[in-house]
Amino acid sequence: AQSVTQLDSQVPVFEEAPVELRCNYSSSVSVYLFWYVQYPNQGLQLLLKYLSGSTLVKGINGFEAEFNKSQTSFHLRKPSVHISDTAEYFCALTLIQGAQKLVFGQGTRLTINP
Amino acid sequence: DGGITQSPKYLFRKEGQNVTLSCEQNLNHDAMYWYRQDPGQGLRLIYYSQIVNDFQKGDIAEGYSVSREKKESFPLTVTSAQKNPTAFYLCASSTTGFSYQPQHFGDGTRLSIL
Repeated sequence: AQSVTQLDSQVPVFEEAPVELRCNYSSSVSVYLFWYVQYPNQGLQLLLKYLSGSTLVKGINGFEAEFNKSQTSFHLRKPSVHISDTAEYFCALTLIQGAQKLVFGQGTRLTINP
Repeated sequence: DGGITQSPKYLFRKEGQNVTLSCEQNLNHDAMYWYRQDPGQGLRLIYYSQIVNDFQKGDIAEGYSVSREKKESFPLTVTSAQKNPTAFYLCASSTTGFSYQPQHFGDGTRLSIL
């Protein structure tokens, strides 16, 4: 079975500081990896995805993530955060073969302080 | 604009009552999904459907039922057998086929017990 672990449930940072949200995954077969963002009382919006190719993936709103197969990690980074980045972030995976069922991590609440 | 519409936004259930959550999409997607979100647990898959008139159980299907009579609609019924229904419910859809496309999410329905 596959699983996703987000190592931090909450991450507080100051505005304009860099941030890293950590995500590890477990799977015996190849997977696609994703980061989604959720603002209060809303659905999920895709930030970025890793399907294949370059291990450094750039997404929307200045976020990027690096796929590390040997460490089974897919950490999300942003060099300078803004108040508007305050949200919950979810790491997820799906199998390359078969139905596109997403397996999610527990989520990381990012709080930006002025 | 194309998208996924979930209704109602808020729903209250009495003891012993079945309630139905609506999910409609105009993206012409073949596959649709229902997820349940609880604080600190991420999202968990309830049911999914890859084609009209066919659906499969996800990880937490007990106490729920679905139907897929039309491509654009995938309603979820929370039955009285679901003893802990209070949660945020998210519907998603995606294409199927050779080229992977990420799932799109609706804005959710928040279900509470009266």
